[in-house]
Amino acid sequence: AQTVTQSQPEMSVQEAETVTLSCTYDTSENNYYLFWYKQPPSRQMILVIRQEAYKQQNATENRFSVNFQKAAKSFSLKISDSQLGDTAMYFCAFMVPSGSARQLTFGSGTQLTVLP
Amino acid sequence: DTAVSQTPKYLVTQMGNDKSIKCEQNLGHDTMYWYKQDSKKFLKIMFSYNNKELIINETVPNRFSPKSPDKAHLNLHINSLELGDSAVYFCASSDARVYTIYFGEGSWLTVV
Repeated sequence: AQTVTQSQPEMSVQEAETVTLSCTYDTSENNYYLFWYKQPPSRQMILVIRQEAYKQQNATENRFSVNFQKAAKSFSLKISDSQLGDTAMYFCAFMVPSGSARQLTFGSGTQLTVLP
Repeated sequence: DTAVSQTPKYLVTQMGNDKSIKCEQNLGHDTMYWYKQDSKKFLKIMFSYNNKELIINETVPNRFSPKSPDKAHLNLHINSLELGDSAVYFCASSDARVYTIYFGEGSWLTVV
C-alpha cells in the first residue's frame, strides 16, 4: 500500500516571499504520478502541478515548481512570489496508473497562510 | 462551463433520511469517482466507475450506493443517513490518456 506524508500541518509566509511545502511518500512501485492540489476556503480541489516519476526534470507551472527526489521519495512544492490568493490547504497526492483504476492517495494536507 | 459539476452544493438533512448527490462531467472522460473529505479534511476514495462499470469500491457502508447511468454521470445515493456521514463529497473524473483527476466543487453534507 502507498502512503503519503505531509509533516507540516500549518505554514505561513509573507506576501512576495518563497515557501516550500514538504511531502514524502512510500511505495514499491517504479511507475507512478505525483500531484499537488490546492483547496482554498471555497473547498474546491484545484490541480496545481503534476510530476511523472519517469521524468527526471522537475515540473514547473508559473510560480509553482517541485523538487522531485525519487530515491529519497520526496516531492516538495515551492511557491515563489507568494500571493494572498495562495492561502489554501495544499494536498500532496500519489497515483499508480494501474489500468483504469486510477486511485489517488492523499496526504493529510498543509494549511498555508500568506500574510500581507 | 464547469467541467465537473455536482448538485446540490450544500445539503442539510436529518438523521435517517435518504439523499442523493448528482454529478456530471463534460470533459469526455471515461472514469468517474466519489471521494469523501471528513471533518479533519482527510480525503479518501469511495468509488470509481469506468465506462459505467464499478472498478473501485472501498470499504464503504452499503448505505452508500453509486449509480452511473452513462459515462458522463455518476450519482451517489445515501440511505438512512447518520451523523458520521457529515462530510464534503467530491465527484471527480479522469481520462484514459492523461493520468490526472479533475474534481468538482464538492457537496457539503450536514446530517443533524
